[in-house]
Amino acid sequence: GAVVSQHPSRVICKSGTSVKIECRSLDFQATTMFWYRQFPKQSLMLMATSNEGSKATYEQGVEKDKFLINHASLTLSTLTVTSAHPEDSSFYICSASGGPTFQETQYFGPGTRLLVL
Amino acid sequence: EDQVTQSPEALRLQEGESSSLNCSYTVSGLRGLFWYRQDPGKGPEFLFTLYSAGEEKEKERLKATLTKKESFLHITAPKPEDSATYLCAVQAGASYGKLTFGQGTILTVHP
Repeated sequence: GAVVSQHPSRVICKSGTSVKIECRSLDFQATTMFWYRQFPKQSLMLMATSNEGSKATYEQGVEKDKFLINHASLTLSTLTVTSAHPEDSSFYICSASGGPTFQETQYFGPGTRLLVL
Repeated sequence: EDQVTQSPEALRLQEGESSSLNCSYTVSGLRGLFWYRQDPGKGPEFLFTLYSAGEEKEKERLKATLTKKESFLHITAPKPEDSATYLCAVQAGASYGKLTFGQGTILTVHP
């Protein structure tokens, strides 16, 4: 149980375009989903927290107009990187938690590698 | 501010050589301490959650313990497939589920 998927696993785009990343909880309902960013040889940095049906809460320093998060259902959250630039290139990972069985443990997706040219 | 410090940064072991990884934390109202394993290019894989001092959990060659200031991840007779980065994270009472991660320990087990 507790499987989280992400799509796509890898994306290359041109500077100025927008990229959407999907995060799905496959076998449980996720009341809360989290989006992280990870640079090489560094730990995970939380970008935002989203609850189903509510606006996302962004961490300090994260531009909410650049990183749009939508949590439309209990199994799906999306992160859209708008007008991407090379400095947005990174490894993006989502996690999900929720439901009485799993308490507050976060289960992570496999990550999405974004390269902006 | 919640803080998590992991040591050592990197650990090299021979196959079968048991050892421990440390996670020291400072947090207001610990709600849970989590251990994850992360392989290169992948998302973290959940290992354990510990909720209170004195608690211990085991899974195969791994055993996690918790005190009021730190947690240890003991690896008994490790194998090369145990090589990975091990991440420790804490969840504070007022954090609404938010995790604060340590920098991780890179474990390499040589055959």
